[in-house]
Order: sequence, then structure tokens, then C-alpha cells
Amino acid sequence: AAGVIQSPRHLIKEKRETATLKCYPIPRHDTVYWYQQGPGQDPQFLISFYEKMQSDKGSIPDRFSAQQFSDYHSELNMSSLELGDSALYFCASSSRFDRGRNEQYFGPGTRLTVT
Amino acid sequence: QQQVKQSPQSLIVQKGGISIINCAYENTAFDYFPWYQQFPGKGPALLIAIRPDVSEKKEGRFTISFNKSAKQFSLHIMDSQPGDSATYFCAASYSWGKLQFGAGTQVVVTP
Repeated sequence: AAGVIQSPRHLIKEKRETATLKCYPIPRHDTVYWYQQGPGQDPQFLISFYEKMQSDKGSIPDRFSAQQFSDYHSELNMSSLELGDSALYFCASSSRFDRGRNEQYFGPGTRLTVT
Repeated sequence: QQQVKQSPQSLIVQKGGISIINCAYENTAFDYFPWYQQFPGKGPALLIAIRPDVSEKKEGRFTISFNKSAKQFSLHIMDSQPGDSATYFCAASYSWGKLQFGAGTQVVVTP
């Protein structure tokens, strides 16, 4: 079965640079979620989109922005990168036709390292 | 502040034994409670989930027990295998909302 695709899988950036992370949800999934996971920590919600509209926002820095496109893929744009942004970034997708089960399927993640 | 409290932080169990992980929540608006398994450097994988109108759900060797009045739920891994060694996260959400995770339990299954 098709899974969530994320690219790139690894990214190394310097402080103050920008980064763009991409997420391709499972086909026919209409909702995308972004999570950030630091070493030894649980995933923290950043932002979500349903049918290309922002549906919820968590503890996402103002330096970050995201959007969902007409083909349902999503991009997370990160500017003025800081050392503390180094983490695993996961995208998850779900379908609201899943009868309210909110089954979120996670991608393999993008490991961002800021030097 | 962690909205879902998970314990223990780590667990060592012998092959064939039972692993038990517990979670507690405060927000009674939560209506969906999944468990995820995560291997190092990989994305969390959905294991099993339950809604509050059910007290128990079993899928293979994995069972969720849910106590709505106590606002607690637990994961039981029966006949634990070395391949089950991973970090397990409980989570909670409402409707189609964000998942709020527990802090995670590192499970090690010894041969």
C-alpha cells in the first residue's frame, strides 16, 4: 500500500539559512499534519491542513510557514534557521472519510541538521 | 504541559512475557486514543487505536484496555518478541484534530 512520502530525507543547513520540506500524503487522504520530534522526545504538533485550508496551528515558530497545494501535497518552509530547529520533522496524513477514526499515518521523516 | 501522561519511561521484558504501558489523560473531550510504535530514526507506525465507547480492543498480540471513568488506557503486548523492542507512544485527539502524545516508553525485549 502507498505510504506518506517525505523529501528530502536528510537536510543539512547553516544557521540563518532557509529550508523547504515536502510531504506527499497517501492517495485520497485530505488532511496533512506536521510534527517536530527532538531527540528522545515525543512528536510535537506544528500545523495541519484540511482540503488546502489551515485547520489547526500548534507551537510553530513565526519563522515557519506551510501550505497544502491543489494536489494535496504540503510544504513546510523554515526560514532564519536556528540550531534548536535541528530535529526530525514528520508529516502525517489522514482521511476524514475514515468515520471519525482520525487514523494518522506518518511518513519516514526529514532529519534536519542546522550547523 | 503534557496532556497525556505515560508510564513507565522504560521497560525490560523477557521474550514471551507481557509488556504493559499505561497512559492517563485529563481532557474529557478526547475521543480517539491510538498507540504508535517507533523504531530509531523511523516514523511512528500506528499499532492499534480505541474510542471511548469501547472498553477493550485486541489485534493480534496487542490489546488496548480503556477505563473511561478513570481516564486511563493501557497497551498490553502479549508474548513479547525481540522485534517488539521499540519506543511506544500513546496519544489522544478529538475528532480529526492533532495527536497529543505521551512522553513514550522504551521497551527492550531480552532473548
